[in-house]
Amino acid sequence: GAGVSQTPSNKVTEKGKYVELRCDPISGHTALYWYRQSLGQGPEFLIYFQGTGAADDSGLPNDRFFAVRPEGSVSTLKIQRTERGDSAVYLCASSTTTRINEQFFGPGTRLTVL
Amino acid sequence: SQQGEEDPQALSIQEGENATMNCSYKTSINNLQWYRQNSGRGLVHLILIRSNEREKHSGRLRVTLDTSKKSSSLLITASRAADTASYFCATVGSNDYKLSFGAGTTVTVRA
Repeated sequence: GAGVSQTPSNKVTEKGKYVELRCDPISGHTALYWYRQSLGQGPEFLIYFQGTGAADDSGLPNDRFFAVRPEGSVSTLKIQRTERGDSAVYLCASSTTTRINEQFFGPGTRLTVL
Repeated sequence: SQQGEEDPQALSIQEGENATMNCSYKTSINNLQWYRQNSGRGLVHLILIRSNEREKHSGRLRVTLDTSKKSSSLLITASRAADTASYFCATVGSNDYKLSFGAGTTVTVRA
């Protein structure tokens, strides 16, 4: 079956612009996670969805970051007023509720803020 | 913040040699996982070891876990050029779901 997909694969934007990053999880996976990976670092947790609701958004760095999952499947990570420090690879993962430790990752979106 | 720290940061070996990398972490865990990442993109899950396990094997991979020392090691035997990648350990705390990653070890296998 299809794995986790993310679009776009690359996004270049200018400082101050708004961007949306999309994640399409594995069909049937109710848990969805967003992570951010800066250059030379490991991924860092941003937000966790269980179904449609954000169960844990403690990793979002500030209120410019927001994520939604309105129908419990596709999720969109939204970043307002982008800053150069937002440049990173944004990774999405999904899992079943019963096996939350087995997270399957998408290929990521590389965001570059000029 | 990063929970784990990998050692070494970078490793270069000849094809056919073994590669060993270590991971140390700070807080109690439910399990520890190792991932591989090629070209800074998607993460591939390699192996999961639970806190009550001490050693696990999967193909050419061997993982050990020492909870008293809060450390784990990943051994790749008979390395191949295709093993060139970054390797990350990630921990999951008790009653948690978040993966907390270290900064990774970059492995280069020379043909």
